[in-house]
Amino acid sequence: DAKTTQPNSMESNEEEPVHLPCNHSTISGTDYIHWYRQLPSQGPEYVIHGLTSNVNNRMASLAIAEDRKSSTLILHRATLRDAAVYYCIPTTSGTYKYIFGTGTRLKVLA
Amino acid sequence: NAGVTQTPKFQVLKTGQSMTLQCAQDMNHNSMYWYRQDPGMGLRLIYYSASEGTTDKGEVPNGYNVSRLNKREFSLRLESAAPSQTSVYFCASSEGPTGFYEQYFGPGTRLTVT
Repeated sequence: DAKTTQPNSMESNEEEPVHLPCNHSTISGTDYIHWYRQLPSQGPEYVIHGLTSNVNNRMASLAIAEDRKSSTLILHRATLRDAAVYYCIPTTSGTYKYIFGTGTRLKVLA
Repeated sequence: NAGVTQTPKFQVLKTGQSMTLQCAQDMNHNSMYWYRQDPGMGLRLIYYSASEGTTDKGEVPNGYNVSRLNKREFSLRLESAAPSQTSVYFCASSEGPTGFYEQYFGPGTRLTVT
């Protein structure tokens, strides 16, 4: 399983973009990169995932480095509701196991 | 469409008591999962069921048993609760293998063992 390194915490001002980094230098060629977030007192919520190329959806964008050793989750305009713990999870295709680390706690300032 | 539901929401047990946590999903998903989350930590996989009729151990299965009752329901049983099992328990489901499909999580059960 690929190991991940994420900052323990980050802060952002409301309505500004946020870039959440993740280092996964031991990722294998077939590992997808999944991002989840967990709002206070709730279960994790899927955000986005990708394999090689950048991905966009209504919640966020995922930028994957060309060597795939790192990725960045981009929230285009942070809102107070985006305050959560964000988890980056490399996952081998075909398995059923997520390895959650401790994630990045994002604080959004009004 | 309720997604993933879990009962109960809160439970307090004494050491040695048993209980079953219930989980149901209405998304017609094939795979279901049980996780635990200790304070300040990420989630750890206890057991999973890739499809109806199958179950497999995850990272921390000791002290737990599971039953995939049907495609919708996946229960987690603590036969003899211990204080070390005080945690928040999350159930999740997915259409298929985790690598490609995302998981949908329930709201959690907060369990305290005294």
